[in-house]
Amino acid sequence: GAGVSQSPSNKVTEKGKDVELRCDPISGHTALYWYRQSLGQGLEFLIYFQGNSAPDKSGLPSDRFSAERTGGSVSTLTIQRTQQEDSAVYLCASSLSGLRSGNTIYFGEGSWLTVV
Amino acid sequence: GNSVTQMEGPVTLSEEAFLTINCTYTATGYPSLFWYVQYPGEGLQLLLKATKADDKGSNKGFEATYRKETTSFHLEKGSVQVSDSAVYFCALRTGANNLFFGTGTRLTVIP
Repeated sequence: GAGVSQSPSNKVTEKGKDVELRCDPISGHTALYWYRQSLGQGLEFLIYFQGNSAPDKSGLPSDRFSAERTGGSVSTLTIQRTQQEDSAVYLCASSLSGLRSGNTIYFGEGSWLTVV
Repeated sequence: GNSVTQMEGPVTLSEEAFLTINCTYTATGYPSLFWYVQYPGEGLQLLLKATKADDKGSNKGFEATYRKETTSFHLEKGSVQVSDSAVYFCALRTGANNLFFGTGTRLTVIP
């Protein structure tokens, strides 16, 4: 597609439920990133996928968070047993390859998650 | 560790006013520095970047100079327009495959 597409754009869920957030990167981009922005905080790195390499999961805040990327394209971020502190904007981004090579990173508009 | 501290907002300016949004950083090694902008209803997009000390990034009338001695990358524009109203994020990268962002500064320009 023309840009990074994320869905849903808004999600309200009850505490304890699981949620899935979807990201469709720019066609041909091999690198995909998930970030989180909580109220008043900067963007927090969550996870990075590059091609078929093992993902960099160093930013995932707990084992309730997981992500996968099927077929090297679409990615799903799953949050299990959601807590109120999980409320945030979840941003997906992609780039032609990894940032080491200086490629620009393109962001989606984000998925706003509210846990009540 | 790596971190970015930027000027807290919100910032409200009249059209044609001079803009400065301060950004300082802490980093291991020699980072690349970036400003990203998020316009209402749109995703984050790269505004400008600088990859080494004394480099100046510029785009759309915005400028920022990489100052290693003061560990700063302040964003400036000589004459802002209503269309510049957005949230601005300072960010750094030290070679790992992620970016470290500041908290963002909301700018509102009034006619």
